Amino acid sequence: GAVVSQHPSWVICKSGTSVKIECRSLDFQATTMFWYRQFPKQSLMLMATSNEGSKATYEQGVEKDKFLINHASLTLSTLTVTSAHPEDSSFYICSAIMGQGGSEAFFGQGTRLTVV
Amino acid sequence: QKEVEQDPGPLSVPEGAIVSLNCTYSNSAFQYFMWYRQYSRKGPELLMYTYSSGNKEDGRFTAQVDKSSKYISLFIRDSQPSDSATYLCAMSAGGKLIFGQGTELSVKP
Repeated sequence: GAVVSQHPSWVICKSGTSVKIECRSLDFQATTMFWYRQFPKQSLMLMATSNEGSKATYEQGVEKDKFLINHASLTLSTLTVTSAHPEDSSFYICSAIMGQGGSEAFFGQGTRLTVV
Repeated sequence: QKEVEQDPGPLSVPEGAIVSLNCTYSNSAFQYFMWYRQYSRKGPELLMYTYSSGNKEDGRFTAQVDKSSKYISLFIRDSQPSDSATYLCAMSAGGKLIFGQGTELSVKP
């Protein structure tokens, strides 16, 4: 199946610093990528939809100035958590879809962010 | 009311049992229905993918979609301890996936 690589798999950072997470589709072109956040024993909550070459669309309640998303190429999207705080500690997962309009999604391995 | 409802469990079964996992939904626009398996501290992996109503079988796994009842199911036959994981249903209309809460399954040897 299609492969989506997410890096890093875990990161610890100090409060106030910024962290960048990368999501790459390794063997297909992904016009759309999605970023999710998952708290322990909870489901995935969509944060934003990232389309190549355009601004990301954020879900209600997600601060776009805090969670910066860049989708500069058909194989790479990045999520930058700016001025991180302990409450930003979570599991962040990206996904990419093949084709248009509801095709199956493939997920990265996830990034566990801990802000201390 | 959430768009997708899934019983979080936990569900514990003996090895070899048939497992039934279910989700209900409210948005009739959903056309794509998926089941993901997620092991602890890992990202979800796609198990089954169904378009519209009907059944789909893959080895020990069978996915069913009943759009008239807005109800989907995943059956696991001859369950194994390695099937122990959280199973998430997900639905889509237009690319964005909406997930159920996930059901935690434990298969005891």
